[in-house]
Amino acid sequence: EPEVTQTPSHQVTQMGQEVILRCVPISNHLYFYWYRQILGQKVEFLVSFYNNEISEKSEIFDDQFSVERPDGSNFTLKIRSTKLEDSAMYFCASSEARTGTDTQYFGPGTRLTVL
Amino acid sequence: AQSVTQLGSHVSVSEGALVLLRCNYSSSVPPYLFWYVQYPNQGLQLLLKYTSAATLVKGINGFEAEFKKSETSFHLTKPSAHMRDAAEYFCAVTRNSGNTPLVFGKGTRLSVIA
Repeated sequence: EPEVTQTPSHQVTQMGQEVILRCVPISNHLYFYWYRQILGQKVEFLVSFYNNEISEKSEIFDDQFSVERPDGSNFTLKIRSTKLEDSAMYFCASSEARTGTDTQYFGPGTRLTVL
Repeated sequence: AQSVTQLGSHVSVSEGALVLLRCNYSSSVPPYLFWYVQYPNQGLQLLLKYTSAATLVKGINGFEAEFKKSETSFHLTKPSAHMRDAAEYFCAVTRNSGNTPLVFGKGTRLSVIA
């Protein structure tokens, strides 16, 4: 069964460093998403992406964040200068279409720890 | 704005007992509602979804949920708990239009006691 994959599973970085989290969405999906979950808190939407541009972003997704689809398979989330409060589990998701009825399939997540 | 509230951060049931995980939603438009499950060290897996068709929705692993507009609820049930059901369960809501960010509840951890 097709699945969303994410690498690395765990990333440790120093405050102020740049990190890139990688995702490979399901191959025939067109819409991609990033969510994050700070320990003990809700899963929160960060950004959605379609046709090589951002469709929607939340208040959390400020200028230090960026997303890219550098090739036909990868979808990346870059955090330019990490802060302690960026420590969280980051989930990538993808879906076939853009309506509310279409299931978003989630990857296993990348745990980011900022020291 | 949309939101969901999951009552009870931790629910513990005996194996074979009824599972009831509560979710109430708030939405200014007709909602689409979802239940996801997260097993340890895994991603979020869809259990079931409500998309304005039948109000009683059946999902995987014997789970079902009923959409009750009058109560703004979408509670998840399973008649008989198995040990393998132990996991974190998330209720989520989204708009029924183009952009579809999911808005999640805080999650409920289900423990199953032998």
